[in-house]
Amino acid sequence: QSALTQPPSASGSPGQSVTISCTGTSSDVGRYKYVSWYQQLPGKAPKLVIYEVTQRPSGVPDRFSGSKSGNTASLTVSGLQAEDEADYYCSSYAGNNNLLFGGGTKLTVL
Amino acid sequence: QLQLQESGPGLVKPSETLSLTCTVSGGSISSSSYYWGWIRQPPGKGLDWIGNIYYRGNTYYKPSLKSRVTISVDTSKNQFSLRLSSVTAADTAVYYCARENGDYASDFWGQGALVTVSS
Repeated sequence: QSALTQPPSASGSPGQSVTISCTGTSSDVGRYKYVSWYQQLPGKAPKLVIYEVTQRPSGVPDRFSGSKSGNTASLTVSGLQAEDEADYYCSSYAGNNNLLFGGGTKLTVL
Repeated sequence: QLQLQESGPGLVKPSETLSLTCTVSGGSISSSSYYWGWIRQPPGKGLDWIGNIYYRGNTYYKPSLKSRVTISVDTSKNQFSLRLSSVTAADTAVYYCARENGDYASDFWGQGALVTVSS
């Protein structure tokens, strides 16, 4: 199975909203509700920001939201802040106890 | 607060076996609610799921790595381990251990361990 497809980069100005897409297939993103998003700051371990498509872990600001339509999941960061500048990765359960990651999107706050 | 810490050699020769251990503190690896996984990240590249294990020993591996990967658990030490055999330069990466919740999401991560494959 191939990795999920994400745009390599995204950007926005402080206070704006940015949406990052994650495209899979009907065998992974389109079939299961188990889509997660991770934020990775430079030199740090990834941090879970969204799980089960729309759920936010405790402590994650509500500026982070997730959605899914068909084979594409999306992460929206509203009210962009300088501290949101990071790499973002999606993941999806792909059946048969297999997990796929996206290639990552570098979010730049202008 | 749950903490995970990877440990093991930072340099492995080609064709040899990479071995890493993840020590879990602040919680029990024997919790029925979680799996314990390994994810790697080649330098400058994206994340790559390797596999996971349940405290009872049930294991699941990425299909393309299945022939080379073994994940094991030692509940008495609150640790789980990764072995990757016949390594090549393509296996050079930062290796993370993580706790996976029931929604196939990793909610706690170790800081990562860089393993370089080189002679």
